[in-house]
Amino acid sequence: EDQVTQSPEALRLQEGESSSLNCSYTVSGLRGLFWYRQDPGKGPEFLFTLYSAGEEKEKERLKATLTKKESFLHITAPKPEDSATYLCAVQGVTETSGSRLTFGEGTQLTVNP
Amino acid sequence: DSGVTQTPKHLITATGQRVTLRCSPRSGDLSVYWYQQSLDQGLQFLIQYYNGEERAKGNILERFSAQQFPDLHSELNLSSLELGDSALYFCASSVGPGFYEQYFGPGTRLTVT
Repeated sequence: EDQVTQSPEALRLQEGESSSLNCSYTVSGLRGLFWYRQDPGKGPEFLFTLYSAGEEKEKERLKATLTKKESFLHITAPKPEDSATYLCAVQGVTETSGSRLTFGEGTQLTVNP
Repeated sequence: DSGVTQTPKHLITATGQRVTLRCSPRSGDLSVYWYQQSLDQGLQFLIQYYNGEERAKGNILERFSAQQFPDLHSELNLSSLELGDSALYFCASSVGPGFYEQYFGPGTRLTVT
């Protein structure tokens, strides 16, 4: 069974204070690892897909990286508008899994001005 | 705005009742997914449809059922509702059944009293 563990559960940063969020996973054959951002009461917003170890993707102040066992979401010089819950999800390969995403519990990020 | 629409936004109903949640995927997407998000369980995959056919099932209760219609919209039916069914229900869509990004709708908040 695919499993995703995210740490820390919650993170408070000052504006401009860079940090990283961690996503550890176990999956039977990784098809893709996904990062989403979720604001309270809203649907998850797609950020990145990573397919193979060593891959990196960037978008504004966010950079996602992937190894064989974990992924990191690096946040550089965050702003208060980056405050949200960041979700990591994996898509594995099994006969019955279809294209389901298995999500972690998320990291709740708060950026103070 | 992801392009995925869900109705209604909020639903309050009593235990034992039946409700139907509706989802319209992004234009051009053939795959639809349903997820449940509760406070104690995070985002959980329920079921996937691709072009009208069931593709994969998660831990979906027997009291729950879904279908995808020829116009590709999908409905999730929840019956014999219990207090524990109170949650956010999200629909997501992707281009195909494989390893594509899933785009989430705004969700339906179900409250069972």
